[in-house]
Amino acid sequence: GAVVSQHPSWVICKSGTSVKIECRSLDFQATTMFWYRQFPKQSLMLMATSNEGSKATYEQGVEKDKFLINHASLTLSTLTVTSAHPEDSSFYICSARRTSSNEQFFGPGTRLTVL
Amino acid sequence: DAKTTQPPSMDCAEGRAANLPCNHSTISGNEYVYWYRQIHSQGPQYIIHGLKNNETNEMASLIITEDRKSSTLILPHATLRDTAVYYCISYSGTSYDKVIFGPGTSLSVIP
Repeated sequence: GAVVSQHPSWVICKSGTSVKIECRSLDFQATTMFWYRQFPKQSLMLMATSNEGSKATYEQGVEKDKFLINHASLTLSTLTVTSAHPEDSSFYICSARRTSSNEQFFGPGTRLTVL
Repeated sequence: DAKTTQPPSMDCAEGRAANLPCNHSTISGNEYVYWYRQIHSQGPQYIIHGLKNNETNEMASLIITEDRKSSTLILPHATLRDTAVYYCISYSGTSYDKVIFGPGTSLSVIP
C-alpha cells in the first residue's frame, strides 16, 4: 500500500523558535498534499492544501505567514511553524493525494509541544 | 464543514459485530463514502470506501442504502484493538476535492 511518512514524529521547542515538519510520500507521486491540525479530544482540522510548484491554499482562519508550506517536489511537502507559541502545540498530520488515482493517504502525525 | 453526521459514541462487546451508522443525506452523485479510523495519537487509517454498491474487505463491510443517504460500517468481530474514533466522509476523489473530517464516532470495544 501507499505509505506517507512524517518527520519528526514528535518535537519539543522553546517559544519563539521555528519548527519544520516534513511529509513524504514514499512510494508514489503526490501533486497535492494536505496539512491538518488536531487538538486534544477534537477532530482533524484542515489547515491548507499544498500543490507542487505553486503556493499553498490556506483554509479560513489559518495564518499563512505563521504556517509556511513548501511543496518543492512530487514526494515532499514541508510545514514550518514560525515563531511558535504554546498555543501552537498540537498534533500535525499530513496526507498525500496519489496523482495516479486521487486517493488520499495519511501520515502518522507529528506531535509538537511548545514550551 | 463535514457533510456527514455520526453518533458521537458507541460501545460494542468484544467478539460481537460493531455497526457504525452514518448519515450523508446531501451526498453528490460523484462522491464516494469513505471510512477512516484513528487510534489514539496516530494518523487516520483507511478502512473502506464505496459509491453505491456494498463493499467488503479484510477489515470491514460497508452497507450503503439504495438512496445513498446513509451507510453502515460493520466490523464483524470487534476486538479491543478496534477501539478508535471512526470517521465517515463523503469525498469525490477529484482533484478539487478535499477530505474534511467531522467529529466521528468514538467506538469503545468492551471486554
